[in-house]
Amino acid sequence: AQSVTQPDARVTVSEGASLQLRCKYSYSATPYLFWYVQYPRQGLQMLLKYYSGDPVVQGVNGFEAEFSKSDSSFHLRKASVHWSDSAVYFCAVSAGNNNRIFFGDGTQLVVKP
Amino acid sequence: EAAVTQSPRNKVAVTGGKVTLSCNQTNNHNNMYWYRQDTGHGLRLIHYSYGAGSTEKGDIPDGYKASRPSQENFSLILELATPSQTSVYFCASGQSSGNTLYFGEGSRLIVV
Repeated sequence: AQSVTQPDARVTVSEGASLQLRCKYSYSATPYLFWYVQYPRQGLQMLLKYYSGDPVVQGVNGFEAEFSKSDSSFHLRKASVHWSDSAVYFCAVSAGNNNRIFFGDGTQLVVKP
Repeated sequence: EAAVTQSPRNKVAVTGGKVTLSCNQTNNHNNMYWYRQDTGHGLRLIHYSYGAGSTEKGDIPDGYKASRPSQENFSLILELATPSQTSVYFCASGQSSGNTLYFGEGSRLIVV
């Protein structure tokens, strides 16, 4: 069965520092992989997605993610965070024809000024 | 841009009462989803639909029904609301599993 694990429930970084949010997935083939962001009292918005090709994909607002088949991971990175990046970030995986999309439990990112 | 609109945005219901959460999308997507979000559980899928007239059970369907009368509309129905159903509910739409999901802003339900 497909599953997504985000091992860090909360990450705190200082403004201007680099960021990595971790995501591991479980699936026998290469699925569609996504990162979504949720700002307070809002729905989720997609940051980026990957299916094939260059393992490093660029998203909005300077975010990027790197796919690793050997590690079954899809970690999210940003070179320099801003206070406005404070939000909850969800990794998600989808595969197959059943149109199911599985979300991790999310990582709360807190950016300190 | 795809728009997903949920109503009501906030609802207080009494235990044993009936609650209907409505969702409307304007981008002609085939698939629609209902999730609930609780602290420590992330997003959990309740029901989803492939198109008008279809509904499928997700991971936590007990206590919920769903209805998809048209391409645009997808409702979540709590026939007998319980306090354990207090949560934030999100509707989403998407064209297929590999495509972006578009979320509504959520419906906050409190069952007292």
